[in-house]
Amino acid sequence: AQTVTQSQPEMSVQEAETVTLSCTYDTSENNYYLFWYKQPPSRQMILVIRQEAYKQQNATENRFSVNFQKAAKSFSLKISDSQLGDTAMYFCAFRSAGYALNFGKGTSLLVTP
Amino acid sequence: GAGVSQSPSNKVTEKGKDVELRCDPISGHTALYWYRQSLGQGLEFLIYFQGNSAPDKSGLPSDRFSAERTGGSVSTLTIQRTQQEDSAVYLCASSLDAAGGTFYEQYFGPGTRLTVT
Repeated sequence: AQTVTQSQPEMSVQEAETVTLSCTYDTSENNYYLFWYKQPPSRQMILVIRQEAYKQQNATENRFSVNFQKAAKSFSLKISDSQLGDTAMYFCAFRSAGYALNFGKGTSLLVTP
Repeated sequence: GAGVSQSPSNKVTEKGKDVELRCDPISGHTALYWYRQSLGQGLEFLIYFQGNSAPDKSGLPSDRFSAERTGGSVSTLTIQRTQQEDSAVYLCASSLDAAGGTFYEQYFGPGTRLTVT
């Protein structure tokens, strides 16, 4: 079974600063996808960024980038130039050849003025 | 276009009652997923549909939980004889397909918060 671990239950960052959220996972598979989802108070899960395991290049989406270390089974999210609207729960998720997403327990991020 | 919608937004029910939660996926999405998010926990997969069929029901926590999908569109998650431990946010998602090796983004609805008193 695949497990996803987020070791930081809560984090705080000042506006315009950079923050990194950690995620590790455990799998015996070679082909899979990794995701970071954002869940604001509205409860709507929003896909922030995804990474295919076969790609060595780290994915980036504007202010969001990942550090994917396949051998270490690590997948961290870096948010640059943090904005107040980035305040939310962030979930790391894993998907292999199946269809269901396996989620970590989340990191609550607070961006302060 | 319209996203995934769920109803009701919030539901409070008494222990022992049955509840039905509804999910309207994005038009044209053949795959539909139900997840449960308990307080302080990540999302737990419950069931997925490919069309009207549910190939995998292994995530359903007990036989009090059932789900159906009709016309390849709307899905209903039913919880019978609700218990306090059923209190959670139930999230629905849809995607173009659930094909194994191909990635299709899952789009989530806003969820239904169920409170069992």
